Amino acid sequence: DAGVIQSPRHEVTEMGQEVTLRCKPISGHDYLFWYRQTMMRGLELLIYFNNNVPIDDSGMPEDRFSAKMPNASFSTLKIQPSEPRDSAVYFCASSLAGTLVYTFGSGTRLTVV
Amino acid sequence: EDQVTQSPEALRLQEGESSSLNCSYTVSGLRGLFWYRQDPGKGPEFLFTLYSAGEEKEKERLKATLTKKESFLHITAPKPEDSATYLCAVQVIQGAQKLVFGQGTRLTINP
Repeated sequence: DAGVIQSPRHEVTEMGQEVTLRCKPISGHDYLFWYRQTMMRGLELLIYFNNNVPIDDSGMPEDRFSAKMPNASFSTLKIQPSEPRDSAVYFCASSLAGTLVYTFGSGTRLTVV
Repeated sequence: EDQVTQSPEALRLQEGESSSLNCSYTVSGLRGLFWYRQDPGKGPEFLFTLYSAGEEKEKERLKATLTKKESFLHITAPKPEDSATYLCAVQVIQGAQKLVFGQGTRLTINP
């Protein structure tokens, strides 16, 4: 298995633009997580899905953020409109139920200028 | 509020110099404590899970221990390739799949 695959690896965009981050989890994993990492706040959970259904989105900072999981092999995190304070590394992770052993992707480094 | 605090923020050691990293937690109910390693430009990688006070896990030069209020990651005779950020995380709600992470300890091993 190629692991959790995220794209793009780097994204630079202008304030106000829409940004879409993509994630392909490990085949067979039934949980998918989106985390954001910054120097100031560390790793923060944004949202997670179980069997493609959002379970907890309490970490989504505001309505500008949305996440979808249309099928078991694909998820997106969208920011519209983007702001400079959204600059961070966004990680996707997946796991099997009952293990809590996350496999993380390599992350997307987002810079909003 | 559930909190996970790691110390020190950064640690620099000479190759072969043993030390320990600390993870203290204040949570409503600990279900499990996890250690991850993160290399620059990569996602965190799972190391250990601990579930009950007194439990210990080992992997090569690393040993993780757990008490009722904290966990330690002991590193014995480290090598330069052990340089990384070590993250501690807790599962706080039974049945919930989410982890709350600490800020991490950035470990540098000089040759």
